[in-house]
Amino acid sequence: SQELEQSPQSLIVQEGKNLTINCTSSKTLYGLYWYKQKYGEGLIFLMMLQKGGEEKSHEKITAKLDEKKQQSSLHITASQPSHAGIYLCGADSRGNEKLTFGTGTRLTIIP
Amino acid sequence: EPEVTQTPSHQVTQMGQEVILRCVPISNHLYFYWYRQILGQKVEFLVSFYNNEISEKSEIFDDQFSVERPDGSNFTLKIRSTKLEDSAMYFCASRAGTGGRKLFFGSGTQLSVL
Repeated sequence: SQELEQSPQSLIVQEGKNLTINCTSSKTLYGLYWYKQKYGEGLIFLMMLQKGGEEKSHEKITAKLDEKKQQSSLHITASQPSHAGIYLCGADSRGNEKLTFGTGTRLTIIP
Repeated sequence: EPEVTQTPSHQVTQMGQEVILRCVPISNHLYFYWYRQILGQKVEFLVSFYNNEISEKSEIFDDQFSVERPDGSNFTLKIRSTKLEDSAMYFCASRAGTGGRKLFFGSGTQLSVL
């Protein structure tokens, strides 16, 4: 079965600083999805990456899927308090309906 | 913006009791899911539902669990005889027929089994 490992597990960053979260898969990624979860709430979709080398941006968040399609990174530029939360990567595999989620990265932004 | 709605937000039950968790997916979506998250652990897939039948289920989804879409709008998860280890946040999700596995999640039902 597919396993997704995220690093770091937690991150404390001063407001305004940049940061990167990584997601490494045990198998080739066919679709990689980034979600954000606030404590006690549901998962909010951020971005979907499907092609090796693909890069997408939304506001100050950029996600990349590496060429070999086994790793993705999420980069936040000039972090803000609103970026705080738990970031999850999810992956699908061919022939399966489910998304498998990573271990999560808890992001704290210090004013 | 359309959203997935789950009720109740919190459910407390005694071990051995039946519970039904309810979800209203986004209206034009075709695929429906239940996930759960035990405190401090990963979000885990339970079941997917398409065309009025289960399309995939995990090892967690045993005979104690069932899903139903009774009226074309609601999507329910039933646990027949709850166990302490069923305590978790349960998330419903749905997606359209295209666009990969871009799931839209509800806010969850926190189930506590005493």
